Amino acid sequence: KNQVEQSPQSLIILEGKNCTLQCNYTVSPFSNLRWYKQDTGRGPVSLTIMTFSENTKSNGRYTATLDADTKQSSLHITASQLSDSASYICVVSDRGSTLGRLYFGRGTQLTVWP
Amino acid sequence: EADIYQTPRYLVIGTGKKITLECSQTMGHDKMYWYQQDPGMELHLIHYSYGVNSTEKGDLSSESTVSRIRTEHFPLTLESARPSHTSQYLCASSSGTSGRIDEQYFGPGTRLTVT
Repeated sequence: KNQVEQSPQSLIILEGKNCTLQCNYTVSPFSNLRWYKQDTGRGPVSLTIMTFSENTKSNGRYTATLDADTKQSSLHITASQLSDSASYICVVSDRGSTLGRLYFGRGTQLTVWP
Repeated sequence: EADIYQTPRYLVIGTGKKITLECSQTMGHDKMYWYQQDPGMELHLIHYSYGVNSTEKGDLSSESTVSRIRTEHFPLTLESARPSHTSQYLCASSSGTSGRIDEQYFGPGTRLTVT
């Protein structure tokens, strides 16, 4: 069964600290892995998209890594800000382009305290 | 910021009422989607469309229906709302360009509460 599991379920950190969120998947065949940020009451916004051949991708203070062999990904947030408080969702696609089916994780709820 | 809009943003309605959730995008995307999301849970695909006059049911069974008469518009209708329909509904679109990663852009969502 194709699944995406995220950990931790929730996380509280102090402003300025770093954190790492984890994503394990069993989706096969693998096409790409995406990290989304979803603010409360809003739609998800894409942070990074990585294909099989990419090990790491950065978007400002967000850095995603991918190990396609172990089917694991992580999202590292550097120097956290209050605005980073949100749910971070890992999404895996099983094919590219027109036939891509997306599998969503339940997200990690991150809270950044001042 | 993606140009995809949803209205209303919040809706509280009584059981048995008919409702339509609106979704429109100005990016000229052929593919559009409706997802349902409960708090702390993953998004579930309930409907999608690959173009005008094309609609398909998603993975999660839903009593809602959709239509795609215009490229930019993809409304979702519930003929008779029930408390079990209480949820957040997210609309998304993508270009579906062949050979490229099909990135989906999400609207802000409609929070529906059926009393």
